[in-house]
Amino acid sequence: ETGVTQTPRHLVMGMTNKKSLKCEQHLGHNAMYWYKQSAKKPLELMFVYNFKEQTENNSVPSRFSPECPNSSHLFLHLHTLQPEDSALYLCASSLETGRSTDTQYFGPGTRLTVL
Amino acid sequence: GDSVTQMEGPVTLSEEAFLTINCTYTATGYPSLFWYVQYPGEGLQLLLKATKADDKGSNKGFEATYRKETTSFHLEKGSVQVSDSAVYFCASVGQNFVFGPGTRLSVLP
Repeated sequence: ETGVTQTPRHLVMGMTNKKSLKCEQHLGHNAMYWYKQSAKKPLELMFVYNFKEQTENNSVPSRFSPECPNSSHLFLHLHTLQPEDSALYLCASSLETGRSTDTQYFGPGTRLTVL
Repeated sequence: GDSVTQMEGPVTLSEEAFLTINCTYTATGYPSLFWYVQYPGEGLQLLLKATKADDKGSNKGFEATYRKETTSFHLEKGSVQVSDSAVYFCASVGQNFVFGPGTRLSVLP
């Protein structure tokens, strides 16, 4: 079974829609991450959760709202997005944050297109 | 803060050519170092890692050695294949994960 799964794999939404991205990990990890990957730009860390507590928010606009109900699930709620928000959204997990030997494991990503 | 620098490419090679993708890092303390690979339409996959100085990570014919004296973790492969075409990311983790910008590799038959 794949360690980190993401749904949906592809999403097209209008600027006034509300949608959610889901991430689930089956690795027994306690830290989960959202990244944004845009064409020709470096990977951008958006949010970090450790033991269900948000530990990092890298100045992400409020139209992105994360939720982590337990250590295995992570959501990204989207509303009133802009076309420049179109990107690949990647979820990752690791044992916990702050460990220098830790490895992040990534899901396949959700390709989001905002019209 | 911590940072990772890598050659951005794109790198285009013929099949069976030798590959080197340079990566250098700045960090406080002693980070672990990683190479991830991203194939088209997919997420990042761990390729190899090294957790301390002089460690060599290896996988699928790729190798990288943790060089503390030069703060480097260069990725090498002796003979690339068309199937190696992908984007390669160098990363370090001390207190936080830091990724390089990625290097796109294209291997031509």
